[in-house]
Amino acid sequence: DSGVTQTPKHLITATGQRVTLRCSPRSGDLSVYWYQQSLDQGLQFLIQYYNGEERAKGNILERFSAQQFPDLHSELNLSSLELGDSALYFCASSVTGAGHGYTFGSGTRLTVV
Amino acid sequence: AQSVTQLGSHVSVSEGALVLLRCNYSSSVPPYLFWYVQYPNQGLQLLLKYTSAATLVKGINGFEAEFKKSETSFHLTKPSAHMRDAAEYFCAVSPNAGGTSYGKLTFGQGTILTVHP
Repeated sequence: DSGVTQTPKHLITATGQRVTLRCSPRSGDLSVYWYQQSLDQGLQFLIQYYNGEERAKGNILERFSAQQFPDLHSELNLSSLELGDSALYFCASSVTGAGHGYTFGSGTRLTVV
Repeated sequence: AQSVTQLGSHVSVSEGALVLLRCNYSSSVPPYLFWYVQYPNQGLQLLLKYTSAATLVKGINGFEAEFKKSETSFHLTKPSAHMRDAAEYFCAVSPNAGGTSYGKLTFGQGTILTVHP
């Protein structure tokens, strides 16, 4: 157990639907990062939050949004889902920046049918 | 912008042989560099990291990597491969300065290591 908890582990949904992925960071970590992993794109950075505020944005689609709550857990919302959104979505956390390295969760596998 | 290139999407070695996974980086500022390992159906686990201290970095499971600024490389090695080392390995880079990209890791495309008996 890495200390980063992601739920659900698996999600199957239809095109056009909306889903929410949840992440609880490791205790004491203030930064949360979301990554998408797919066979063709590899690991793509989506977004970073630090202590409730958005810190950096990557290749995140407008259909996707995220937030970090006062208790530091984070949610990634994916809407108007397309087949191409099928991927593994990872959450990672760190104390501050990446200098300490990230701790990754085990991921949510999203399948859009 | 920062990037990493992992040379070879697949590497195959025999058990007991040297493991060498190659990573070259591009960065306009001094980087932090990392190697992560991903076992099937699991998240990524940090193997080792370079954060401007010693250029030869030792990590878990007998792996080590050497930061070579002149070659912009951070290759991962292990003297003797075990069957349990079979996994996918990712090199990653992050700026070690502030700014909006501070903390963001940029990953390479990954190298799948296969270990034969």
